[in-house]
Amino acid sequence: AQSVTQLGSHVSVSEGALVLLRCNYSSSVPPYLFWYVQYPNQGLQLLLKYTSAATLVKGINGFEAEFKKSETSFHLTKPSAHMSDAAEYFCAVFTGGGNKLTFGTGTQLKVEL
Amino acid sequence: DTEVTQTPKHLVMGMTNKKSLKCEQHMGHRAMYWYKQKAKKPPELMFVYSYEKLSINESVPSRFSPECPNSSLLNLHLHALQPEDSALYLCASSQGLRRGDTDTQYFGPGTRLTVL
Repeated sequence: AQSVTQLGSHVSVSEGALVLLRCNYSSSVPPYLFWYVQYPNQGLQLLLKYTSAATLVKGINGFEAEFKKSETSFHLTKPSAHMSDAAEYFCAVFTGGGNKLTFGTGTQLKVEL
Repeated sequence: DTEVTQTPKHLVMGMTNKKSLKCEQHMGHRAMYWYKQKAKKPPELMFVYSYEKLSINESVPSRFSPECPNSSLLNLHLHALQPEDSALYLCASSQGLRRGDTDTQYFGPGTRLTVL
């Protein structure tokens, strides 16, 4: 079954520093992968998705992610963190061949002055 | 527009109450979902409706009863809930593509439910 693993439940960066949030997938076939962000007391917002069209995917708010088959990874990056980026980030993959979306355990991003 | 709306935003109910959560989308999507999210945890799928028919029920207790009156509306009827059912309930929708794993889901803001 397809799954994702997010390394690091908490990541802290300084404002202006590089953001790197890690996601590794487990799949026998190339999966479709998603990154969602959840601000406090809100729902999930789609940041970006990988659907095999291009390995480097650009999303909203300056985020991007690169699909690396050799590393089974889909890490999320942003060159310069902003205070407003503080949130919970979830990597997700479809499982079961249908429309069941399975989430990683999430990474809480803290941005410090 | 990728908006999914949910009402109410907050709900407090006793264990003997009956209440309903409502979700609405006007994107022409044909698949709708209910998720449950406990604090500091990822969302967990509860139900999926595809073309107004229940297609996935993740072994959810019968005190949760979903309903899809039409392609734009999704309800979750609650009865005799337990305190451990307190959580954020998220609704999502997607186009309902035949190939499910390309079917991007868009989420609503959620209903924060507290069961006393």
